[in-house]
Amino acid sequence: GENVEQHPSTLSVQEGDSAVIKCTYSDSASNYFPWYKQELGKRPQLIIDIRSNVGEKKDQRIAVTLNKTAKHFSLHITETQPEDSAVYFCAASQDFGNEKLTFGTGTRLTIIP
Amino acid sequence: DGGITQSPKYLFRKEGQNVTLSCEQNLNHDAMYWYRQDPGQGLRLIYYSQIVNDFQKGDIAEGYSVSREKKESFPLTVTSAQKNPTAFYLCASSRGQSNTEAFFGQGTRLTVV
Repeated sequence: GENVEQHPSTLSVQEGDSAVIKCTYSDSASNYFPWYKQELGKRPQLIIDIRSNVGEKKDQRIAVTLNKTAKHFSLHITETQPEDSAVYFCAASQDFGNEKLTFGTGTRLTIIP
Repeated sequence: DGGITQSPKYLFRKEGQNVTLSCEQNLNHDAMYWYRQDPGQGLRLIYYSQIVNDFQKGDIAEGYSVSREKKESFPLTVTSAQKNPTAFYLCASSRGQSNTEAFFGQGTRLTVV
């Protein structure tokens, strides 16, 4: 089955700086890679996703890059703000009847004011 | 909020007892999932169902059971065979049609006393 590794487990950055979280996956058949944000005491929510037919996707201060050859993908947050503090999870899944998401172990991001 | 509801929010169980966690969704989603969240271990898949009357084991199914008699409901039973049941349990649903967003419930925190 799929195995997703995520690094780092904790990350602290100064407000206004950038944060990068990296994930690797094992199954070359995976073709969908979402990122979820879980604020303290709340449910995980999708913030951005990427499919295997593109290498990069941006949404305002958030971007995700995918390298299918190396089987890794990354989340980039620029101009970080206090409200970015949360736990971030990457995930991977396949297509067509096997859409179960396999999650990474999470990164606790802390923005230092 | 809304769309997918878990109950109760907090649950206490005595050792040796079975307990059932409720998950209901009104999003007309075909796929539903149960995840277990432990500190430092991310979200681990217990069971998932892609259609009514069908479900598959996830990565940590031992000691758990599910049913999917209705599209909107996917209850999880934690049996006495589960060796370490104290955890935070998250239910999720998705359209189930190739790479679609998973929506999470607010979770149930189960404590064995």
